[in-house]
Amino acid sequence: GDSVTQMEGPVTLSEEAFLTINCTYTATGYPSLFWYVQYPGEGLQLLLKATKADDKGSNKGFEATYRKETTSFHLEKGSVQVSDSAVYFCALSMGFGNEKLTFGTGTRLTIIP
Amino acid sequence: GAVVSQHPSRVICKSGTSVKIECRSLDFQATTMFWYRQFPKQSLMLMATSNEGSKATYEQGVEKDKFLINHASLTLSTLTVTSAHPEDSSFYICSAPPSGGVRNIQYFGAGTRLSVL
Repeated sequence: GDSVTQMEGPVTLSEEAFLTINCTYTATGYPSLFWYVQYPGEGLQLLLKATKADDKGSNKGFEATYRKETTSFHLEKGSVQVSDSAVYFCALSMGFGNEKLTFGTGTRLTIIP
Repeated sequence: GAVVSQHPSRVICKSGTSVKIECRSLDFQATTMFWYRQFPKQSLMLMATSNEGSKATYEQGVEKDKFLINHASLTLSTLTVTSAHPEDSSFYICSAPPSGGVRNIQYFGAGTRLSVL
């Protein structure tokens, strides 16, 4: 079945450091790919998405590119801030994102000043 | 933005009791809601799809008689864990895509941490 493998955490970085969180997927068709973020005490929020190969999703300085050849959707940010501390989930959907999602394990990111 | 309210956020109960978790869309209608469960250091796993006006659809391996789902209205779905046991202790999360076919949109509740003693 479909699956998402995500870089294990926790990840701790200093402020202004470069961030990469790896995500690879296995799917029988052509999924849509997502990164969700969960801040403490809140529900998951969509951070960015890409619905076809070579699409780049971006939001709040985060980026991820849908790489079909490597079945990857790595999350990157050039300069992290303390406010980026959260849990990040990579996910896929075989629909358009309003269907059920298959998630990775989540990566807890902590940014220290 | 749209909000999904999930209640309670944390519950501790004795083994053998039943626990009800509510998932409510506050400013939109949702004909479908999803219920996920997350064990420590594992992925969120879809348990079931809640459908307003019809029976829920359960994923393979999820006991429908143990995890009762009722989608009572276009804004409310409930998950009842019946005769809870310590192995049911987990983090339960609901999500709701707004009705109307808007793509790529789902809103999540903040989750319920269930601890069964």
